[in-house]
Amino acid sequence: DTGVSQDPRHKITKRGQNVTFRCDPISEHNRLYWYRQTLGQGPEFLTYFQNEAQLEKSRLLSDRFSAERPKGSFSTLEIQRTEQGDSAMYLCASSLAGMLHTIYFGEGSWLTVV
Amino acid sequence: AQTVTQSQPEMSVQEAETVTLSCTYDTSESDYYLFWYKQPPSRQMILVIRQEAYKQQNATENRFSVNFQKAAKSFSLKISDSQLGDAAMYFCAYRDRGGGSNYKLTFGKGTLLTVNP
Repeated sequence: DTGVSQDPRHKITKRGQNVTFRCDPISEHNRLYWYRQTLGQGPEFLTYFQNEAQLEKSRLLSDRFSAERPKGSFSTLEIQRTEQGDSAMYLCASSLAGMLHTIYFGEGSWLTVV
Repeated sequence: AQTVTQSQPEMSVQEAETVTLSCTYDTSESDYYLFWYKQPPSRQMILVIRQEAYKQQNATENRFSVNFQKAAKSFSLKISDSQLGDAAMYFCAYRDRGGGSNYKLTFGKGTLLTVNP
């Protein structure tokens, strides 16, 4: 399978714990995105990388959130000191640079904070 | 900031019939893209159809077509000959074509489509 893959698909954690999600984009894609989706809502943009450079972070991304994309390949999204409001699906997507290129999404990582 | 509104939280259609999902958006830009994405129960978002704002002709992909009304900022999706596999959440999305934020998709809240056999 050469699509966008995310791991883990589901994570249940206790409030206050740290969690990390990993995203492997389509191999030749130089752009990578993280979105968050809560129940009944559409995905909301969190952050964006072009190669290894993080070019934008949404105001939704509090100081407890950090994303990296070392060497411009896979990406990680870490949430420190999780809160119940962090419960959501975290979607990763990738694309080639260029205006017409399609953004491909992964299946998402569900986070439940109890 | 751009906003996307989907006023129909849920819609249903009989198999083989036609259904139209509504979407309106707000932007001050003149050049942009509009998309319909499908999110089946497996949760992976799939692109259904794309419209470039500078093109007057409505996009069509097999059974899926759009009605793009730029002046009204309206972008509806028509699904013809509905199939059971069309059942999913459908999201309308907007993206700038130029400028500094042409990588960012703005989504509506979605419309849950049920297809009845």
